[in-house]
Amino acid sequence: QKEVEQDPGPLSVPEGAIVSLNCTYSNSAFQYFMWYRQYSRKGPELLMYTYSSGNKEDGRFTAQVDKSSKYISLFIRDSQPSDSATYLCAMSATAGNNRLAFGKGNQVVVIP
Amino acid sequence: NAGVTQTPKFQVLKTGQSMTLQCAQDMNHEYMSWYRQDPGMGLRLIHYSVGAGITDQGEVPNGYNVSRSTTEDFPLRLLSAAPSQTSVYFCASSLGSTGELFFGEGSRLTVL
Repeated sequence: QKEVEQDPGPLSVPEGAIVSLNCTYSNSAFQYFMWYRQYSRKGPELLMYTYSSGNKEDGRFTAQVDKSSKYISLFIRDSQPSDSATYLCAMSATAGNNRLAFGKGNQVVVIP
Repeated sequence: NAGVTQTPKFQVLKTGQSMTLQCAQDMNHEYMSWYRQDPGMGLRLIHYSVGAGITDQGEVPNGYNVSRSTTEDFPLRLLSAAPSQTSVYFCASSLGSTGELFFGEGSRLTVL
């Protein structure tokens, strides 16, 4: 079993809909949780960063971490065509970047 | 504001050939790293460096060499290319090993 599971299936939603993405993980030591956004043929860019359990909101984006269930989520409200991208979850037991475990990524398409 | 610059963007090699992927950053970041991204595998760390003169192996280091003679540059060398090294390679940097990772735009390598 991979440390981080993310269903890579593409997700198509109409503009304005709520997008819900999630990852599950097996390593209970993970404490740092991230979501990266990757546009086609570009490098990933950090979208959200959370430590331990709880919610974090930034504009239309909300990240949730449930450590008891080993489950993290990203919600995008009022989705826009510019949100069309691949979203990757990443997590680590330490704050260091050399121990990040990435999910496979979810491709999201927002249809105008 | 160049950020992280990778060259070349595209490269085709024959099995057994060697080459170097270049990575340069102009943000005075101490931490630099190389990832490969393959379909269905997510991002995997190849090598990383926490400062000039210091390098270490990541998750998938076999077949790759790195060196860090300056803060700005972190080249990745393929010693004898194999078809299994066909991938998209991303260089990333951060201010310290715990800061936000900034990725380059990627280098697409095909080994025939």
